[in-house]
Amino acid sequence: EVQFVESGGGLVQPGGSLRLSCGASGFTFSNYWMSWVRQPPGKGLEWVANIKQDGTEKYYVDSVKGRFTISRDNAKNLVYLQMNSLRAEDTAVYYCARDGGEGVQRIIFYWGQGTLVTVSS
Amino acid sequence: EIVMTQSPATLSVSPGERATLSCRASQSIRSNLVWYQQKPGQAPRLLIYGASTRASGIPARFSGSGSGTEFTLTIGSLQSEDFAVYYCQQYNNWPFTFGPGTKVDIK
Repeated sequence: EVQFVESGGGLVQPGGSLRLSCGASGFTFSNYWMSWVRQPPGKGLEWVANIKQDGTEKYYVDSVKGRFTISRDNAKNLVYLQMNSLRAEDTAVYYCARDGGEGVQRIIFYWGQGTLVTVSS
Repeated sequence: EIVMTQSPATLSVSPGERATLSCRASQSIRSNLVWYQQKPGQAPRLLIYGASTRASGIPARFSGSGSGTEFTLTIGSLQSEDFAVYYCQQYNNWPFTFGPGTKVDIK
């Protein structure tokens, strides 16, 4: 069974930093693109970043470029999201997610349970 | 960036009735569209990809159609568990973008 355990969320002041972690199990982690998608409370979804199987390609939505960094450790089945210079508008539930594999690599098939990040003074 | 719009924002339907949800892209996305269902406090659930292919385990009452810029999700006969928010999302061009969602509630 595909499972994710997200951690690292919490309350942070504007301008501060957080690192989210997502541990994966139930599949061969190194075979899949991994992503982070966020959802502000009561609002819609925004795909924040994704990373290729070997970490050589990374993509970011414009609103986080230069502030957030996605990375992965295939030996530990972990994907990270380093978030710096946080703003109030970054407040959201952050979901770790996995694509469908070969042929369906740009589609999220599996989602974690989400971790809440609150940016407030 | 491709902008996705959805209509209506809220759809009130009685159990057993048919529901039709619309999604539009600001430019052609071919058939690179997915539909997700989200219930309160839960992560989204993949329903449809490639505009019309049901994901594994999704009941046949869910069907998707369309290509280019106009797409439709049809729920053939609404069950109690189908009352939720539905999002469309394009994966043709990065950044992959979501529509604002359609809430399907009980009439």
